[in-house]
Amino acid sequence: QMTQSPSSLSASVGDRVTITCRASQGISIYLAWYQQKPGKVPNLLIYAASTLQSGVPSRFSGSGSGTDFTLTITSLQPEDVATYYCQHYHSVPFAFGPGTKVDFK
Amino acid sequence: EVQLVESGGGLVQPGGSLKLSCAASGFTFSGSAMHWVRQAPGKGLEWLGRIRTETNTYATAYAASVKDRFIISRDDSKNTAYLHMDSLKTGDTAVYYCARAYLDSAAFLLVWGQGTPVTVSS
Repeated sequence: QMTQSPSSLSASVGDRVTITCRASQGISIYLAWYQQKPGKVPNLLIYAASTLQSGVPSRFSGSGSGTDFTLTITSLQPEDVATYYCQHYHSVPFAFGPGTKVDFK
Repeated sequence: EVQLVESGGGLVQPGGSLKLSCAASGFTFSGSAMHWVRQAPGKGLEWLGRIRTETNTYATAYAASVKDRFIISRDDSKNTAYLHMDSLKTGDTAVYYCARAYLDSAAFLLVWGQGTPVTVSS
């Protein structure tokens, strides 16, 4: 079971944004983050909790292990408006968090 | 180009069945674990299940919400994965995605199809 907070947030261009994901039991670093823009297919951002997928801008970063994880966007850009999901892949059944919707003030 | 193309979605009555297909190209399908994920209208992503490779005995696993109703299979000769859905409920209405895992043993989802919509309604 995965939880995320906040469920939504509004920020300004250039803001630092932090999203938290919590697992109900320890999952080591078997955690991925995805970005889903409106009307689009989810896109992998980060895997193994902190490894940036190729092609993903360096303003995205991930951290954490065990049960608590964080996705950080250091300087929010207009194209970052999206819903962000964490997913654990420690052991089956895998699961996604409920998502965090990020938009602009 | 790495590509996944789902098909088979549509309108089905409650209690009915449907079989979705996921055609793969541009990568070694037989060496890839395949997953199915769905997204109900206006809702989040829900992991449904996965099938591993022949090396891992085509092992399957499912979410509790669909276990005993959904079956994942694959045909490596056709580079295609399948999701067979039985006893469909209105709550199964969603866009259904197939996705390729990075590795059989590292199940983060590297490549996604465009999705196929399923509507369960009378």
